[in-house]
Amino acid sequence: AQTVTQSQPEMSVQEAETVTLSCTYDTSESNYYLFWYKQPPSRQMILVIRQEAYKQQNATENRFSVNFQKAAKSFSLKISDSQLGDTAMYFCAFKGGGTSYGKLTFGQGTILTVHP
Amino acid sequence: EPEVTQTPSHQVTQMGQEVILRCVPISNHLYFYWYRQILGQKVEFLVSFYNNEISEKSEIFDDQFSVERPDGSNFTLKIRSTKLEDSAMYFCASRQGLNTEAFFGQGTRLTVV
Repeated sequence: AQTVTQSQPEMSVQEAETVTLSCTYDTSESNYYLFWYKQPPSRQMILVIRQEAYKQQNATENRFSVNFQKAAKSFSLKISDSQLGDTAMYFCAFKGGGTSYGKLTFGQGTILTVHP
Repeated sequence: EPEVTQTPSHQVTQMGQEVILRCVPISNHLYFYWYRQILGQKVEFLVSFYNNEISEKSEIFDDQFSVERPDGSNFTLKIRSTKLEDSAMYFCASRQGLNTEAFFGQGTRLTVV
């Protein structure tokens, strides 16, 4: 079974600064997908960024980028130029590429607070 | 932009009562899911549904739970006899294909009293 671990329960950052959220995972699969989801106080789950394991290039979406280290099974999220609207719970998630029918396995989440 | 919609947004029910949580997935999506999130905890997979049958379920999804896609548009989660520990946020999600993005609904907050 896959496991996803986020070791930082809470993080804080000043507006306009950069912050990195950590995530590690464990799997025996070679083909899989990794995601970061944002959950603001409204509790909606919003996809921030995704990474396919077969791609060596790290994914980037505007101010959000990942550092994907496949051998180390590490998938961190970097938020540059943090904004007040980035305040939310962030979940790292794993999706297997086999016969898992697309289910997501989530980490415990990291609460990020951006201070003005 | 198409979206997954869930109703109601908040439901309060008495212990032992049956509840049905409703979801309308995006129209051309083929894979459907229910997840739950107990307050302050992580999001947990409950069940996946494809081709009108359950494709995978977790240990949480016991005989008290059932899912149905009664009319080709709605996707429902029924809890037969609610317990206090069923209090949680329940999220519906759908995706078009296995390798496409999963879209989540806004969630239904279930409170069992």
